[in-house]
Amino acid sequence: DTEVTQTPKHLVMGMTNKKSLKCEQHMGHRAMYWYKQKAKKPPELMFVYSYEKLSINESVPSRFSPECPNSSLLNLHLHALQPEDSALYLCASSPTPDREYGYTFGSGTRLTVV
Amino acid sequence: RKEVEQDPGPFNVPEGATVAFNCTYSNSASQSFFWYRQDCRKEPKLLMSVYSSGNEDGRFTAQLNRASQYISLLIRDSKLSDSATYLCVVNEMNTGFQKLVFGTGTRLLVSP
Repeated sequence: DTEVTQTPKHLVMGMTNKKSLKCEQHMGHRAMYWYKQKAKKPPELMFVYSYEKLSINESVPSRFSPECPNSSLLNLHLHALQPEDSALYLCASSPTPDREYGYTFGSGTRLTVV
Repeated sequence: RKEVEQDPGPFNVPEGATVAFNCTYSNSASQSFFWYRQDCRKEPKLLMSVYSSGNEDGRFTAQLNRASQYISLLIRDSKLSDSATYLCVVNEMNTGFQKLVFGTGTRLLVSP
């Protein structure tokens, strides 16, 4: 299995809703990442998890809450989002956090906040 | 100054043309570099890594000039299927953790 699987592929949520994005990989990778990509912009790093621990938070608002329950799974919990949070949310993984490998990206969750 | 800069394009070329993309990066401590390809509404996919000695993969050639902090991608014999956005990506080690930083991307349109 050489894939990163993200669910759901599409999500529409209201500003008062609570939802979660899920990311899963079975490649034995020990680093996992959340990126946010707005239309016509490059992906921007949100969080880095290293060996199931949060290592980097790029000053992301608290309405985004990441969680790494185990080495294969990464969640992003969403609460009280704003319409400007609508974007493509990409999960990625790499074998280790401390050596410079490329990432494997999931196909993303396209989020619309209404 | 942006960490990774690219000409956004679009580059409009006919099939069979040769096209070159350039990229500059600001962090001189960066150690590894990549070109990713992203199709419309899809995730980025690794096209190739970039090495100082230059590397080639079929019709694609990547070059790195560390002194000038400059990366290039050359596509020969362009195909319609090459139409996409090409992202220059720099891997920065941030307090011991790697972090991919993306350029804004260069859009390529190959026409018949």
